[in-house]
Amino acid sequence: DAEITQSPRHKITETGRQVTLACHQTWNHNNMFWYRQDLGHGLRLIHYSYGVQDTNKGEVSDGYSVSRSNTEDLPLTLESAASSQTSVYFCASTRDTNTGELFFGEGSRLTVL
Amino acid sequence: AQSVTQLDSHVSVSEGTPVLLRCNYSSSYSPSLFWYVQHPNKGLQLLLKYTSAATLVKGINGFEAEFKKSETSFHLTKPSAHMSDAAEYFCVVRGDTGRRALTFGSGTRLQVQP
Repeated sequence: DAEITQSPRHKITETGRQVTLACHQTWNHNNMFWYRQDLGHGLRLIHYSYGVQDTNKGEVSDGYSVSRSNTEDLPLTLESAASSQTSVYFCASTRDTNTGELFFGEGSRLTVL
Repeated sequence: AQSVTQLDSHVSVSEGTPVLLRCNYSSSYSPSLFWYVQHPNKGLQLLLKYTSAATLVKGINGFEAEFKKSETSFHLTKPSAHMSDAAEYFCVVRGDTGRRALTFGSGTRLQVQP
């Protein structure tokens, strides 16, 4: 079955280190998204991509970057991790943004000490 | 800009009793609205969506939502709660710009007591 997978599922790192969270989907969806989930804030959009070589900033993009070299993958990089980036990160994808239906991975819990 | 407000951060009901999760929206146009559900340690799943067709929308697992323009509301209901309904529920609005990004509410945690 087609799916969307995130790795690692749990990560502990130290302030200042670079961290990359992987997201891989096998649906061949052009549209991919990264969200972070924090208590009281719901999900907030970090970055998104509508196809290969296309990347866009969301509402909370500072300190994060993404790259899209193929359809299947959208890795999220924290260039210099900060304690404020401790969160649960969700990757999502969809074939058609007009439907409003995103397909989510199971999340990556990141702790920055 | 569009936004949604979920009026309750926690709702607790007894099994077999009705569920009501409240959501108000703010939008300068006719919005597309959604409810997503997140079970513990899982990703989010679409529960139902309103896209300007029928105002009463039926979703999975017996959930419904009614779009009320006069009240700017999109409340989620279910006649009889089941233990498996315990989860976090998010009200979501879609943007009207070319990118049509989704904006999520802060979530309502539903507890179902036996």
